[in-house]
Amino acid sequence: DSGVTQTPKHLITATGQRVTLRCSPRSGDLSVYWYQQSLDQGLQFLIQYYNGEERAKGNILERFSAQQFPDLHSELNLSSLELGDSALYFCASSGGDGPQHFGDGTRLSIL
Amino acid sequence: GENVEQHPSTLSVQEGDSAVIKCTYSDSASNYFPWYKQELGKGPQLIIDIRSNVGEKKDQRIAVTLNKTAKHFSLHITETQPEDSAVYFCAARHQTGTYKYIFGTGTRLKVLA
Repeated sequence: DSGVTQTPKHLITATGQRVTLRCSPRSGDLSVYWYQQSLDQGLQFLIQYYNGEERAKGNILERFSAQQFPDLHSELNLSSLELGDSALYFCASSGGDGPQHFGDGTRLSIL
Repeated sequence: GENVEQHPSTLSVQEGDSAVIKCTYSDSASNYFPWYKQELGKGPQLIIDIRSNVGEKKDQRIAVTLNKTAKHFSLHITETQPEDSAVYFCAARHQTGTYKYIFGTGTRLKVLA
């Protein structure tokens, strides 16, 4: 158990809809990262937050947004969903100079 | 731009043999290199890491080597077992305050019993 919790585990929705994915980092970790993993693909970095503030941005679409709340949990919002958004979405957290630890992901299926 | 190349994409070995996965990074400012193992239906799990001031690190059957000059780092698994079968990812972390990670494309390792 990595200590990073992601909910929900699975999400099925339709094109055009909006969803919110949630991540609770490991206790004490201030950094949260979001990644997208499409079928049999690598991990594409989306965005990083540190103590509530955006720290780094990757290949995140304008339809996607994220935030980190005062209690350090983070949410990734995906809107105007398209079939190509179907993927695994991972959250990872880290503290200080330490490594990232990943949650078990949210599997998003767009019908 | 920043890039991490990982080879091979797939690797099959007989149980008991060794497996080697290689990565090359482009950003000379990278200073931390973790390796992750991802099993089916799970998130990537950290298995070993190395910092830029160290050339080699070993943990039981797993070792990682780093050549900073060539910007290469490799994962070595000895005496492979069927439970080593998984997808392995290397990553390079940028040195600056963002601590942004760039991941390799992954290697699917299959250990044949």
